[in-house]
Amino acid sequence: KNEVEQSPQNLTAQEGEFITINCSYSVGISALHWLQQHPGGGIVSLFMLSSGKKKHGRLIATINIQEKHSSLHITASHPRDSAVYICAVRSDKLIFGTGTRLQVFP
Amino acid sequence: NAGVTQTPKFRILKIGQSMTLQCAQDMNHNYMYWYRQDPGMGLKLIYYSVGAGITDKGEVPNGYNVSRSTTEDFPLRLELAAPSQTSVYFCASLREDTEAFFGQGTRLTVV
Repeated sequence: KNEVEQSPQNLTAQEGEFITINCSYSVGISALHWLQQHPGGGIVSLFMLSSGKKKHGRLIATINIQEKHSSLHITASHPRDSAVYICAVRSDKLIFGTGTRLQVFP
Repeated sequence: NAGVTQTPKFRILKIGQSMTLQCAQDMNHNYMYWYRQDPGMGLKLIYYSVGAGITDKGEVPNGYNVSRSTTEDFPLRLELAAPSQTSVYFCASLREDTEAFFGQGTRLTVV
């Protein structure tokens, strides 16, 4: 069983829809990262969380340490949000989930 | 700050050849990581380091070696390249209180 599980694996949405991507993990962590990988392959950091909730523009990330679960929300989705969204958990290692491929259509 | 600098961007190796992928960061990050990403798959941890002089194996270390003689540099060595090592390689760094920063990736083909 993977230490980090993401769902769904693939997600399609119409422009303007509210998007939720989930991440569950089975190990003790010091922080959880949400990352974005565009088709060109580059990886950028969206959030680092150790508790609670963070918001940046249309993106919101939450984490529940007791339940070992995090969610990434995208409000008012746009075609430019189309990418792979990856959850990664950190102790000393930084272990990645398999990612969620999001496509947003106009 | 230049961030994480990873070189080369592309490389073609013949079976049995060796090479070193370079990774350098100028942010005084203590944690550094090497990953490989096969087509359509997630990132797999090869090796990581929690500070200069300290390295440890990740999920897929076979066929690779690393060293961390300085805080800034974390090179990945491929000895006796095999077709199974054809992949895209990413280097990453962070401190405990920072987000993760990634290099641009190295696309390696072993023929």
